[in-house]
Amino acid sequence: QKEVEQNSGPLSVPEGAIASLNCTYSDRGSQSFFWYRQYSGKSPELIMFIYSNGDKEDGRFTAQLNKASQYVSLLIRDSQPSDSATYLCAVNILYFGNEKLTFGTGTRLTIIP
Amino acid sequence: GAGVSQSPRYKVAKRGQDVALRCDPISGHVSLFWYQQALGQGPEFLTYFQNEAQLDKSGLPSDRFFAERPEGSVSTLKIQRTQQEDSAVYLCASSLGAGSGDEQFFGPGTRLTVL
Repeated sequence: QKEVEQNSGPLSVPEGAIASLNCTYSDRGSQSFFWYRQYSGKSPELIMFIYSNGDKEDGRFTAQLNKASQYVSLLIRDSQPSDSATYLCAVNILYFGNEKLTFGTGTRLTIIP
Repeated sequence: GAGVSQSPRYKVAKRGQDVALRCDPISGHVSLFWYQQALGQGPEFLTYFQNEAQLDKSGLPSDRFFAERPEGSVSTLKIQRTQQEDSAVYLCASSLGAGSGDEQFFGPGTRLTVL
């Protein structure tokens, strides 16, 4: 089992709809969770981070964390064509005493105009 | 202010050559990370520096990979005797605090192609 798992997609969503991206992780002790957006040929950029159970909203983006289920998700409301990108879930995972930011393989999202 | 910069942006090497990849982190950032990203995959951790100390190098795939940050600022990732499987994008990231719990700011990456 991979430490961080995402559905690789592609996920196609009509413009204006809600895009829902999901991620599960293996380490129950993880405390920090991040969503990065990566446009093709570009480097990852942070769009949300969440540390506590529940929802965290920032503009059109909502991150949801459920530590009991080891599940973190990202909702994008009123999807725009500019949201088309790969979304990387990243979790701080403890390996032999050292924390490492561990990424999923990413979900490719396409917003259809 | 300036973000994280990396050079060169693209590097083509013949199998067996040595390469050196440079990273200039954001000024004042304590932590510096190197990642390797293969096509269609997420970044994979290689190594971590806190100032000039290399605290974790467990992700380096072989002893052909070596990284340094001698003055706690600029870092160099060196790959000796490159192999085709080393072809990937090498990303550098920096963060203000210690450890990997803070936001990491990524550079544009160096795309390495080994022929």
